[in-house]
Amino acid sequence: SQQGEEDPQALSIQEGENATMNCSYKTSINNLQWYRQNSGRGLVHLILIRSNEREKHSGRLRVTLDTSKKSSSLLITASRAADTASYFCATDADNYGQNFVFGPGTRLSVLP
Amino acid sequence: DTGVSQDPRHKITKRGQNVTFRCDPISEHNRLYWYRQTLGQGPEFLTYFQNEAQLEKSRLLSDRFSAERPKGSFSTLEIQRTEQGDSAMYLCASSPGTGAGYTFGSGTRLTVV
Repeated sequence: SQQGEEDPQALSIQEGENATMNCSYKTSINNLQWYRQNSGRGLVHLILIRSNEREKHSGRLRVTLDTSKKSSSLLITASRAADTASYFCATDADNYGQNFVFGPGTRLSVLP
Repeated sequence: DTGVSQDPRHKITKRGQNVTFRCDPISEHNRLYWYRQTLGQGPEFLTYFQNEAQLEKSRLLSDRFSAERPKGSFSTLEIQRTEQGDSAMYLCASSPGTGAGYTFGSGTRLTVV
């Protein structure tokens, strides 16, 4: 069953702009992760945020988590053409991290 | 360690044939996962192993699908009597434990004709 849902489904921005993607989920979680996938390739882990954390940073990435709203956001600052990819959130609802359930993803296009 | 390896990268098979995919996880990771992904969708969980024990299977994993992880090392996913609906990317991932991030392989793209 689908737990997380990313929004928007697709996003197109100019190089240098910031990109914000959102993820909403339905049931309580222990951890939420964000992944990137370039076309036809495997997924790359970006950030894991735990339910007791509100914000995490990694380079140009910033992830926030609002458990009261059951939502998370991924911000990519100063985007580059190489950031063009699909971005997925994944949650471990109800199974204490036994496996993660992925949303359908946001397809980000960064135009040079 | 070169990460998670999957073999083959691509597989084209005729409907009704059996196929087997292999995944070699990161050696220190005791958890191994199989996901399936169709075009434009997120990965869907199929099954996962902790060491050699298969701990959970999705309803997506019909009786035509079987996965093994002998000795807790590499894993194989076999699909018997393939159907066109089995066409997808099959992704393998490993992780060191509960709540840790996954390291994915590049996937095996299956096309059933």
